[in-house]
Amino acid sequence: GNSVTQMEGPVTLSEEAFLTINCTYTATGYPSLFWYVQYPGEGLQLLLKATKADDKGSNKGFEATYRKETTSFHLEKGSVQVSDSAVYFCAPQPPGGKLIFGQGTELSVKP
Amino acid sequence: DAGVIQSPRHEVTEMGQEVTLRCKPISGHNSLFWYRQTMMRGLELLIYFNNNVPIDDSGMPEDRFSAKMPNASFSTLKIQPSEPRDSAVYFCASKPGLAGDNEQFFGPGTRLTVL
Repeated sequence: GNSVTQMEGPVTLSEEAFLTINCTYTATGYPSLFWYVQYPGEGLQLLLKATKADDKGSNKGFEATYRKETTSFHLEKGSVQVSDSAVYFCAPQPPGGKLIFGQGTELSVKP
Repeated sequence: DAGVIQSPRHEVTEMGQEVTLRCKPISGHNSLFWYRQTMMRGLELLIYFNNNVPIDDSGMPEDRFSAKMPNASFSTLKIQPSEPRDSAVYFCASKPGLAGDNEQFFGPGTRLTVL
């Protein structure tokens, strides 16, 4: 079946620290891969995506690379800011199917 | 574009009452999704539509829940009768078709509290 495993939170970092949130998945076919972010009190919004192997999605300093051989899509940022505090969701989407959301990883960045 | 619109933003009701949540998808998007988010269960897909037709309702928890999409610009999620365990944030999302690389756009959510 389809599933996603994300690094458990909460993750607490100091400003300017390096961030990695691990994500591995199992999905039928050749999924597209997404990271969504949810800021406090808001709905989810797309952070970045990758649609084929070795593609790198990037946005707002965040990056993730589609690794087909390890079925992973780890999220990274070189220097986090307080404004990055949010919940991050990894979500593969099989062709013609629905998004499969992970449980979410809460990130808290302290000044 | 106004984005996905949901109403009401907050709803407080008593156990046993009927609750109707509303969603207006982004114009031109023909796929619509209803999700529920709780601390215990995370984000769950309840049902989704394509071209106003329900495609998969396997996530609807029980018969008390029903969803309709009478036209391309409106959908409702109804709970009758409501129970305290239905308390959650309900999100509606839309996307332009079911292609795998299309982004889903989420509404701001409706926070439901059932007393």
